[in-house]
Amino acid sequence: EAAVTQSPRSKVAVTGGKVTLSCHQTNNHDYMYWYRQDTGHGLRLIHYSYVADSTEKGDIPDGYKASRPSQENFSLILELASLSQTAVYFCASSGWASSAETLYFGSGTRLTVL
Amino acid sequence: AQSVTQPDARVTVSEGASLQLRCKYSYSATPYLFWYVQYPRQGLQLLLKYYSGDPVVQGVNGFEAEFSKSNSSFHLRKASVHWSDSAVYFCAVSIFNTGNYKYVFGAGTRLKVIA
Repeated sequence: EAAVTQSPRSKVAVTGGKVTLSCHQTNNHDYMYWYRQDTGHGLRLIHYSYVADSTEKGDIPDGYKASRPSQENFSLILELASLSQTAVYFCASSGWASSAETLYFGSGTRLTVL
Repeated sequence: AQSVTQPDARVTVSEGASLQLRCKYSYSATPYLFWYVQYPRQGLQLLLKYYSGDPVVQGVNGFEAEFSKSNSSFHLRKASVHWSDSAVYFCAVSIFNTGNYKYVFGAGTRLKVIA
């Protein structure tokens, strides 16, 4: 069964600090995604990647960087965390970027920036 | 702009009652349509998806959804809900944009099933 694991499950960070969220998938999927979930909003795409060592900007990339060192791993980096980045972050993977492709999600990371 | 609207942020139903969660999309063509469910402290999981054919599509755990092209809607239904159905339900579309397919999610509907 498809598996996407995220770490940490939750994190408290200080404003201006650096935060790294990690994602690991064992699905052998090429595509990986980082989404942000805010109350009252649907998931919004931050960055995605379709191959190792390459990342692409999503709809809301400002303030975030991404890194895909291998097919299995995809990290989201907040170089200077801000209060507005308090949210739940989800990683997802898919085997292909087709219109019908199912996304497989991790359990999320709850980030609180103080 | 493409969008997905779920007009009901919260829905409360009694166990055993029927359920409908509404979803409307705005897109020039008929996209792939999805319903995902998020149980507490878990990631989203696919309930069902639709692109063509019979407008009523069956999903897991007794859920089904009906597509209406004329109304640009994709409503989720269940004949008899169980307390374990309490979760957040997301409608989503998959569209082709700037060389890639991408998902657009609705804001979600939080379902609470009471005894």
